Amino acid sequence: EVKLLESGGGLVQPGGSMRLSCAASGFTFTDFYMYWIRQPAGKAPEWLGFIRNKANGYTTEYNPSVKGRFTISRDNTQNMLYLQMNTLRAEDTATYYCARSDYGSSHWFAYWGQGTLVTVSS
Amino acid sequence: DIQMTQSPASLSASLGETVTIECRASEDIYNGLAWYQQKPGKSPQLLIYNANSLHTGVPSRFSGSGSGTQYSLKINSLQSEDVASYFCQQYYDYDTFGAGTKLELK
Repeated sequence: EVKLLESGGGLVQPGGSMRLSCAASGFTFTDFYMYWIRQPAGKAPEWLGFIRNKANGYTTEYNPSVKGRFTISRDNTQNMLYLQMNTLRAEDTATYYCARSDYGSSHWFAYWGQGTLVTVSS
Repeated sequence: DIQMTQSPASLSASLGETVTIECRASEDIYNGLAWYQQKPGKSPQLLIYNANSLHTGVPSRFSGSGSGTQYSLKINSLQSEDVASYFCQQYYDYDTFGAGTKLELK
């Protein structure tokens, strides 16, 4: 069974940093693109970026809205996905989800974690 | 950037009714469209991908159609468990979600 479990959310001050983690299990981690998506309360999801699979060199792509502030990485030995967030702003307050592609390099999100809430406030 | 305009924003329907939700892309997305269902407090769940392909385990009362810039999600014979918010997502050019449709029972 595919499982994705996010952690690391909480309260952070504006301008601060936070690293989110996503523990993946139930599938061959290196075969799949992995994504970070966020959703402010009552609003639509927003794609943040993704990291490609082994076949595509683990390269990354980012939404321009967070490029330069957020960094996605993966530890393929531990089946972990990470989101490093710097210079956080109030508008970054949201539930953050990790998600997996349906197969290999597909770009629709077949599996989602339960989410972790990040609140940026003083 | 491709923009997705989803309508209606909210919808009230009766049990057994057929419901249609639409998404319009700002440019041709060549069937690169998915639909998700999200219940309160839960993560989104994939329903449809490639505009009209039903994801594994999704009831057949859900269907997707469309092409070019116009796409729709149809729910036949509405059930109580279908009360949720629905989002479209284009993935032809990176990813953009529609603003969502909140479906309630009348």
